[in-house]
Order: sequence, then C-alpha cells, then structure tokens
Amino acid sequence: QSVLTQPPSVSAAPGQKVTISCSGSSSNVGSNSVSWYQQLPGTAPKLLIYDSNERPSGIPDRFSGSKSGTSATLGITGLQTGDEAHYYCGTWDRSLSEGVFGGGTKLTVL
Amino acid sequence: QVQLVQSGAEVKKPGASVKVSCKASGFSFTSYYMHWVRQAPGQGLEWMGVINPSGGGTTYAQKFQGRVTMTRDTSTSTVYMELSSLRSEDTAVYYCARVAGGSYYDYFDYWGQGTLVTVSS
Repeated sequence: QSVLTQPPSVSAAPGQKVTISCSGSSSNVGSNSVSWYQQLPGTAPKLLIYDSNERPSGIPDRFSGSKSGTSATLGITGLQTGDEAHYYCGTWDRSLSEGVFGGGTKLTVL
Repeated sequence: QVQLVQSGAEVKKPGASVKVSCKASGFSFTSYYMHWVRQAPGQGLEWMGVINPSGGGTTYAQKFQGRVTMTRDTSTSTVYMELSSLRSEDTAVYYCARVAGGSYYDYFDYWGQGTLVTVSS
C-alpha cells in the first residue's frame, strides 16, 4: 500500500483533458513539493513536473501541476495517444524520513 | 550530457546477494545526491534509500534496513546498491536516480535505465 494515493486508472478521448490526483498527509504532500513522473512501457520514469507546478525544459505546456493542502493534481490537456503511460507522484515524508510515491495511475487515451 | 548507466540484468537464488552499479557522467559526481528506487513487475515505484557521493553518508528506507548497503567510488563516479538475503519478492527493476540541485531530497531529474534483478530458485 502506497503512502500517497492515486486513482489506478483514468481515461479520456484524444484532444480532451484529464486530471490525476495525488492525496497525502501533512507530513508529505502538505509540507513538501510534489514531483510527477511519466513512465512509458518498458522505460525508466521521466520527470514531468517538479516543485508541484514547474515544468522542466522540453516538457510541453499541455502538462501542468498544482497543489492544495495535502493533495496535488497533474493535468494533461490536448491528449495524444503518445500520452498513454503510467504517471506517478512523489515527495518526501518528514515523519518517515523517507521518499514516498503514489501507486501510479494508468492513463488510457481512448 | 548527464548519463546514468547501470549494470546488466542479474539472476540470483534466494538467500544470495546482488550488487548493482550506476556509473555517472556529464556532471560533478560529488555534487548530487543519488537515490535508489525499485519497481516490482506490474507494480509502482518504491524508494529504497539515498547516498551522498561526497561523504558517502547514507539513509535507507526502514523496510530495507539491515539488508541494503549503498556505496560509492569517486574515482569512477559510480554508486552501488547491494541487497542481501534475497527473496522472490525482491524481483524487480532497480533504478538509480539523481536529485536535482544538489539537495538531499527533491525531485529526480535523471534516472538510470534500470537493472532487472530476478530472484528464483
């Protein structure tokens, strides 16, 4: 069981928008920045969002992040078939003194 | 360019140990903390621990305390993760990942390609 809670799956049609939630507690999401990673099948995770809402260079602005209290959200607009992947949120947990991840969300672009 | 290149796949018997390497290039090795994250087949990401390549200090996840050892070799810019007393549940892909900005923990901006460790009798 993961410390951070994500929906197991989300789906939407090409061109549409989807959001993926990441719920935690005051010791992790509530007190630290959240990062998001995209993992395509058979590949290593790739950084999508850092500091809860910042995009690394090369990541299109179709991807966005936000955080409020103990929850964070990844948004993806203009969905493309190439966006089909697993998405993970991650942060540090001050109580555990450990890095923590969500269980991952599989995005299907119908 | 930044690269993290890991060692190849391993097959081990239960009770054995495995040592995975991660060779860094394209940046100042001793300026960035390195973490290890694993992923069991069909499962999510699991944080294992962190090593400071400068001083060699480590912090491990409670789950792996006593079984995991992370070390580094500054002469070759390589970090290592050794896991002992292997059991079938340790079958996973093991990743090294660099923390951005030189802090102890933040976000992981570069990842190794992963090393599959299979534990089977």
